[in-house]
Amino acid sequence: DVQLLESGGGLIQPGGSLRLSCAASGFTFSSCAMGWVRQAPGKGLEWVSAVSQNGDKTFNADSVKGRFTISRDNFKNMLYLQMNSLRADDTAIYYCAKRGGYNGWGAFDIWGQGTMVTVSS
Amino acid sequence: EIVLTQSPATLSLSPGERATLSCRASQSVSSYLAWYQQKPGQAPRLLIDEASNRATGIPARFSGSGSGTDFTLTISSLEPEDFAVYYCQQRSNWPLTFGGGTKVEIK
Repeated sequence: DVQLLESGGGLIQPGGSLRLSCAASGFTFSSCAMGWVRQAPGKGLEWVSAVSQNGDKTFNADSVKGRFTISRDNFKNMLYLQMNSLRADDTAIYYCAKRGGYNGWGAFDIWGQGTMVTVSS
Repeated sequence: EIVLTQSPATLSLSPGERATLSCRASQSVSSYLAWYQQKPGQAPRLLIDEASNRATGIPARFSGSGSGTDFTLTISSLEPEDFAVYYCQQRSNWPLTFGGGTKVEIK
């Protein structure tokens, strides 16, 4: 079964740091670009970060640039999101998602169940 | 940044009716547009990629059309399980962007 399983969410104070992890299984992880998408409570979807198949290219939304870092370990089939200088408006469910398509840069065809990050004092 | 505008915000229909959802881009995204369905408490699910290609396992009642700036998702005959929120997303340019969503609710 193709599966993505996020972990690492929780309650964190403003200004704090958190690292999200995503364990991938059931597909050739190293062949697929990956990304993080978040959803604030009651709101729509917002793309956060993306990384190329071998990790040499990363892309970030302006809202997280300089604060969040996406990375991957193709030996462990793991995706990460290091989040620093967290703010209240970073509060959201964070989804790990696989990109599909013939070149691995297609739409997000597999999603994890999400992990909740709450930034509050 | 490419802005995607979805309309209507809410669509109230009965099972068996046809649903037509619109997504308009602020500049051309060619055919690099996807549609997702999200039900409460669940992760999004990919329905359509490249404007008109159904994802694996997606029923034929879902169809997508359009190119450039104007796109449509059509559900030919609504099933009870189709009542959900639908999002469009472009992957033509960075940053990737999503539309604000259309909620399809039971009338």
